[in-house]
Amino acid sequence: EPEVTQTPSHQVTQMGQEVILRCVPISNHLYFYWYRQILGQKVEFLVSFYNNEISEKSEIFDDQFSVERPDGSNFTLKIRSTKLEDSAMYFCASTLGPKNIQYFGAGTRLSVL
Amino acid sequence: TQLLEQSPQFLSIQEGENLTVYCNSSSVFSSLQWYRQEPGEGPVLLVTVVTGGEVKKLKRLTFQFGDARKDSSLHITAAQPGDTGLYLCAARSTAGGTSYGKLTFGQGTILTVHP
Repeated sequence: EPEVTQTPSHQVTQMGQEVILRCVPISNHLYFYWYRQILGQKVEFLVSFYNNEISEKSEIFDDQFSVERPDGSNFTLKIRSTKLEDSAMYFCASTLGPKNIQYFGAGTRLSVL
Repeated sequence: TQLLEQSPQFLSIQEGENLTVYCNSSSVFSSLQWYRQEPGEGPVLLVTVVTGGEVKKLKRLTFQFGDARKDSSLHITAAQPGDTGLYLCAARSTAGGTSYGKLTFGQGTILTVHP
């Protein structure tokens, strides 16, 4: 069964460093998402991406965050200058259409020290 | 901001017992999903409910969407240790304009079923 894959599974970084979280969505899907889950808190929407541009973003997704689909298969989330409070599980999801099932990856645990 | 309130936050029961998890909001949703999340994995969809009053069954799990599409419940009959996990409700809004599928999640219910 097709699945969303995320790498790395765990990323440790120093505060102020840039990180790139990678996702390979399901191949025929058109809508892509990033969510995050801070330990002990709810899953929160960050951004949606469709037709090679951001379609919606939350207030969490500030200028430090960016997304890109550089080569038609990968979907990346970049955090330019990480803060301690960016430590969380980051989930990528993809779907065929906005009303279709969203399939989630296993997540990347980001630890900012 | 549309909020989903999920209760209870923690549930610890014995094998064979029944349980219900609730998901409530003051907002109307176009659809509501229930997910299960295992440690170290992403959420996996269990069911989607769309129509007010809808009831769906998945083996020992029964999902209900409220008539006004503001609330939902998940009922598990004769719980088993394999049901242990984090259960999440999530919804898409009916807000005007184009929807790109953003999901709003509840805070989750951690269920532990003891043998």
